[in-house]
Amino acid sequence: KAGVTQTPRYLIKTRGQQVTLSCSPISGHRSVSWYQQTPGQGLQFLFEYFSETQRNKGNFPGRFSGRQFSNSRSEMNVSTLELGDSALYLCASSFRDNPYEQYFGPGTRLTVT
Amino acid sequence: AQSVTQLDSQVPVFEEAPVELRCNYSSSVSVYLFWYVQYPNQGLQLLLKYLSGSTLVKGINGFEAEFNKSQTSFHLRKPSVHISDTAEYFCAVSEYGNQFYFGTGTSLTVIP
Repeated sequence: KAGVTQTPRYLIKTRGQQVTLSCSPISGHRSVSWYQQTPGQGLQFLFEYFSETQRNKGNFPGRFSGRQFSNSRSEMNVSTLELGDSALYLCASSFRDNPYEQYFGPGTRLTVT
Repeated sequence: AQSVTQLDSQVPVFEEAPVELRCNYSSSVSVYLFWYVQYPNQGLQLLLKYLSGSTLVKGINGFEAEFNKSQTSFHLRKPSVHISDTAEYFCAVSEYGNQFYFGTGTSLTVIP
């Protein structure tokens, strides 16, 4: 069974631009969570989607948004990029009946210049 | 909100020596506890989890962790480390399984 895939793996953007990252969960997984990983802050929870609905949201500004499609694939969008948004963005998926086992993708490394 | 503290940001240890990576969390309610490992340029992989039952939890790659409710700790241990254990280790806590709070990570370096 294929694992969680994230595209693109690397991205370079300029301040003020916007970016969209994509995550394809493991087949059958309906829950997708997004995390931001930085050296100073570690992993911080962004949001979680289940069946196309945002179920939980972390403490990030409104510039960070996401959505989930009917096939459980998810996208996150960051508008008006700031230098501090440079990070590794990780996506994780899990079964509805087993939320305690998250499977992580390799991440998208975003660099904002 | 939960908070997770990993007391050591870097832990160097010689090959075949034992290691303990410390993790404390803040919560007075029942929580679920996890340890993840991250190898360079990869996502996180679940090492072990505590949901209920025995406070000593065994995971993959010879790792184990002990849940101590009174000390709100969940330390990770391995009796004999290998070079391949060099990686970043993250402790995480969840109250309801749908939002996870992670520590800032401990970088384990195994020295030959």
